[in-house]
Amino acid sequence: DVKVTQSSRYLVKRTGEKVFLECVQDMDHENMFWYRQDPGLGLRLIYFSYDVKMKEKGDIPEGYSVSREKKERFSLILESASTNQTSMYLCASSLAGQGSYGYTFGSGTRLTVV
Amino acid sequence: AQTVTQSQPEMSVQEAETVTLSCTYDTSENNYYLFWYKQPPSRQMILVIRQEAYKQQNATENRFSVNFQKAAKSFSLKISDSQLGDTAMYFCAFGGGATNKLIFGTGTLLAVQP
Repeated sequence: DVKVTQSSRYLVKRTGEKVFLECVQDMDHENMFWYRQDPGLGLRLIYFSYDVKMKEKGDIPEGYSVSREKKERFSLILESASTNQTSMYLCASSLAGQGSYGYTFGSGTRLTVV
Repeated sequence: AQTVTQSQPEMSVQEAETVTLSCTYDTSENNYYLFWYKQPPSRQMILVIRQEAYKQQNATENRFSVNFQKAAKSFSLKISDSQLGDTAMYFCAFGGGATNKLIFGTGTLLAVQP
């Protein structure tokens, strides 16, 4: 069964900490994505990557960075966590193909910044 | 730019009845794909159904079917014989154009009542 695995289901961090959210997929997908999900706002794209070492900003990249050193792994980094980054973070992957294949999602990481 | 609108933040249906969730979108593309995703409480987002815009026939998956009206840019999801396990957040999504990204609506929270 194909999988997208997010390393943590729940995470509590302090304001100002550097936070790493990890995502690994075993489907040899080219594309990987990080979204945050907030009530009433749906899914908002933070960053995505269509190849190793390639990244593009999404709609809300401020305060975040990403790393993709290997095809299967896509990391989201909160450089200095703030309370307004408390949210559910979803990782997804897809084959290349102009949005035709849809995504496979991970289980999500619920991050609380205190 | 493409947009996806889900105008029903919450809906409720009795078990065994039929419910329809609405989705409209805006695009200038001719070839694209539309998706419905289901996110059960505290569980992973999964693909429910996929529609290719160049196909006139509406997609169906067991109790789930869509009413795709290309001219009206409408893509509603019908759930027949609703079950308690259908309780979830449902997201409509658009994929196409020159990008690999999906554009999501804000979601509809469906509650199936016993």
